Amino acid sequence: AQTVTQSQPEMSVQEAETVTLSCTYDTSESDYYLFWYKQPPSRQMILVIRQEAYKQQNATENRFSVNFQKAAKSFSLKISDSQLGDAAMYFCAYRSKGNEKLTFGTGTRLTIIP
Amino acid sequence: EAGVAQSPRYKIIEKRQSVAFWCNPISGHATLYWYQQILGQGPKLLIQFQNNGVVDDSQLPKDRFSAERLKGVDSTLKIQPAKLEDSAVYLCASSLGPWGETQYFGPGTRLLVL
Repeated sequence: AQTVTQSQPEMSVQEAETVTLSCTYDTSESDYYLFWYKQPPSRQMILVIRQEAYKQQNATENRFSVNFQKAAKSFSLKISDSQLGDAAMYFCAYRSKGNEKLTFGTGTRLTIIP
Repeated sequence: EAGVAQSPRYKIIEKRQSVAFWCNPISGHATLYWYQQILGQGPKLLIQFQNNGVVDDSQLPKDRFSAERLKGVDSTLKIQPAKLEDSAVYLCASSLGPWGETQYFGPGTRLLVL
């Protein structure tokens, strides 16, 4: 079974600075998807960024980018120019190509310091 | 485009009582998911529907939980009888179909069992 590990329960960053959230996963599959979801206090889970394992290029979405290291099974999220609205729980998630089930990590709570 | 709708947003019940949650997915989304998110943990899939049919209910405690998706649109999740450990946020998500589409989440229902 696949597992997703987020080793940082909490992180904080100064507004306008850059922060990196870590995620590692365990799988025997070669093709899969990885996601970062953001969950603000309102609880609505929002997709931040998605990476397909067969693509070597790291995904980017505006201020959000990932560092995908397939051999190391690592999938970190970098947030540049942090804003107050980025404060939330961030979840890393894994999905097999042939199965829609998402497996989530335990989350990292990100605090933005004004 | 309207997002995934859920109701109620909050529910408090006594143990051994029953409770039901409702979900209306994004229009046109064939796949619907129910997740349970216990405080401090990532969401865990309870059940996945593809149109009217159940695709995966391997982690649904079937002695007390049940779910249905009539006519392939709205879905209800029921707990009967509730236990203290059922206190959690219940998230509904939907996606276009079983071909790697992104899952979109609703705001969730927070259940407290006393």
